[in-house]
Amino acid sequence: EDKVVQSPLSLVVHEGDTVTLNCSYEVTNFRSLLWYKQEKKAPTFLFMLTSSGIEKKSGRLSSILDKKELFSILNITATQTGDSAIYLCAVEAENNDMRFGAGTRLTVKP
Amino acid sequence: NAGVMQNPRHLVRRRGQEARLRCSPMKGHSHVYWYRQLPEEGLKFMVYLQKENIIDESGMPKERFSAEFPKEGPSILRIQQVVRGDSAAYFCASSQRQVLWPQHFGDGTRLSIL
Repeated sequence: EDKVVQSPLSLVVHEGDTVTLNCSYEVTNFRSLLWYKQEKKAPTFLFMLTSSGIEKKSGRLSSILDKKELFSILNITATQTGDSAIYLCAVEAENNDMRFGAGTRLTVKP
Repeated sequence: NAGVMQNPRHLVRRRGQEARLRCSPMKGHSHVYWYRQLPEEGLKFMVYLQKENIIDESGMPKERFSAEFPKEGPSILRIQQVVRGDSAAYFCASSQRQVLWPQHFGDGTRLSIL
């Protein structure tokens, strides 16, 4: 059965720390992996990853995909309180099916 | 314990027709959320409902779209007079109480407009 597992489920850090969020998956006919940041109702799209080993970067956030080991990581460096949110991983399959992970709740303390 | 059930999984409509998407929440859940994902974009919140009440429809287009969650039966997202731009994946989620981000999602309905 297809599944997406995120870890940790919850994380508390202090400003300036670096965090790594994990997403592992088992999906038939993988097409892409997406990361979202959820602060209020509507999640914000962060990255879409389709190829292994190519890091995507946006400011202090970066992400990479390993299609052999079936996981992705989302890194946030020099965290700020505004990074506090739920980070959601989703995996899309060739047949357009999409599976979401449960999310990682990140809390950044001043 | 069945998860969130959406049907149909795939729906094809011609322009001008009506599309009805159904979502049965997890057992014991009385809160339902609808999201739309357009190609190459992230999820967009549409509407949040409790049994028989629309709590937040700030993400719903003003025209042609409506949602309901009756006392009995599934939640329905209804799109009247569909247009090509309505082609998207529509996801439903449910929770026991109001939450920031529901954990339990359905598999989605892929709507294609010819």
